[in-house]
Amino acid sequence: DTAVSQTPKYLVTQMGNDKSIKCEQNLGHDTMYWYKQDSKKFLKIMFSYNNKELIINETVPNRFSPKSPDKAHLNLHINSLELGDSAVYFCASTSHSLSYNEQFFGPGTRLTVL
Amino acid sequence: ILNVEQSPQSLHVQEGDSTNFTCSFPSSNFYALHWYRWETAKSPEALFVMTLNGDEKKKGRISATLNTKEGYSYLYIKGSQPEDSATYLCASSHGSSNTGKLIFGQGTTLQVKP
Repeated sequence: DTAVSQTPKYLVTQMGNDKSIKCEQNLGHDTMYWYKQDSKKFLKIMFSYNNKELIINETVPNRFSPKSPDKAHLNLHINSLELGDSAVYFCASTSHSLSYNEQFFGPGTRLTVL
Repeated sequence: ILNVEQSPQSLHVQEGDSTNFTCSFPSSNFYALHWYRWETAKSPEALFVMTLNGDEKKKGRISATLNTKEGYSYLYIKGSQPEDSATYLCASSHGSSNTGKLIFGQGTTLQVKP
C-alpha cells in the first residue's frame, strides 16, 4: 500500500507538448506539495495546496499549473514543455496535526523532454 | 534568499566506522529542521524533526543534534553498516505561521563498504 504515489514514473516527450503528472496520497493528509529536483540535485518547492487551496506558489513559469480536485490528489499540468523542464518531480504530503509538518514523499516522476 | 548547505557532498567509509555530516541553515526566523534518508530508487523518508536549540534525537545507531543560534545540525551514524548507504538530506523551515515550506540542502551521499 503506497502512501504517496505518482504516475507516471517515467515520462519522455517532445518539446512543445502538454503533459500531466498525477499524485495521490492515502494518508488522510490535508496538505500536498510539488518539488522539482534541479540539475544540482536540490529539491526545490514549486507549489503547495492545503485543503484544495493554493498556499505556496514559488516563482515557477505559468506553463506549470497545479490542480487539486480533492485533498488526496494534487496533479501537475505542464504546457508547452521545454528542454529545461527535464527533471525529477516529487510530490509530498503532510498534515498540520503532524510534528512540524513532517512530509511524506512519493517516488518521483522522471520527465525527459527531447 | 535562504540557503541550506550540507557537507561533505559524499563520503565513503568502511563497515563499522562511525561518521558524521553537517547541515548549515539560516538561523533567522527558524521554525524546524528536518533530516531525511533517501535510498536510490526510493522516496525520501523522514528521520528526525527538531525545533529547539540543543535538541538531540536518536533512532538506533543514528542521532542528530541542533544548534539554532548558529544555524547548524549534525547527523551521526555509529558503526556504519552497508544498509546505511543512502543520501541524507536536511531541510529547514522558517516563519511563525509555518506553511510547511522546506528548504533542502543538496544532501550528503554515504557509501558504506563491507
